[in-house]
Amino acid sequence: AQSVAQPEDQVNVAEGNPLTVKCTYSVSGNPYLFWYVQYPNRGLQFLLKYITGDNLVKGSYGFEAEFNKSQTSFHLKKPSALVSDSALYFCAVRPYGNKLVFGAGTILRVKS
Amino acid sequence: ETGVTQSPTHLIKTRGQQVTLRCSSQSGHNTVSWYQQALGQGPQFIFQYYREEENGRGNFPPRFSGLQFPNYSSELNVNALELDDSALYLCASSLAGTGRTETQYFGPGTRLLVL
Repeated sequence: AQSVAQPEDQVNVAEGNPLTVKCTYSVSGNPYLFWYVQYPNRGLQFLLKYITGDNLVKGSYGFEAEFNKSQTSFHLKKPSALVSDSALYFCAVRPYGNKLVFGAGTILRVKS
Repeated sequence: ETGVTQSPTHLIKTRGQQVTLRCSSQSGHNTVSWYQQALGQGPQFIFQYYREEENGRGNFPPRFSGLQFPNYSSELNVNALELDDSALYLCASSLAGTGRTETQYFGPGTRLLVL
């Protein structure tokens, strides 16, 4: 079965510190991986995606993600967190066809 | 903002009623996908419409149905509403033809409460 796991319900980080939001996946074949962010009472905003090529993908708002095939992971990172980064983050995989399969989400809290 | 719009923003219905949610896709996009996001969970794929036909469906019963119009806008219809249908319904538009690499861009959602 195709699935995504986000092992942390919540990540807390101080403003200015680096942040990592973890994601692991289980899919047959080549994974197409995505990160989205959701602010309260809003839809999902696309951050970045991995299709092929460099394992380090750069996206919006200074976020990047590292694809690791051997560990089946696609962790989201940012070198210096902002309070405004506080939100709900979703990792998703597109295993085949047309649907995205989402993880349960990770709440990121950045404290000043 | 993505340019994907949804209406209404909020809706309250009672069990057994029917509801229609609407979505306008981003300019230049020809595909619309619908997702259900229950409280505290990730979005779950309902179905996708391309060229006015259903083009993939998730694990949802037939009382969830949809339409896509020639201008690529879409409707999600849910019949015989149940309490568990209370959720945020998200519409996403994309441009088909680029394969699995295409990115889905989401609207703000419609929050449905079934009493």
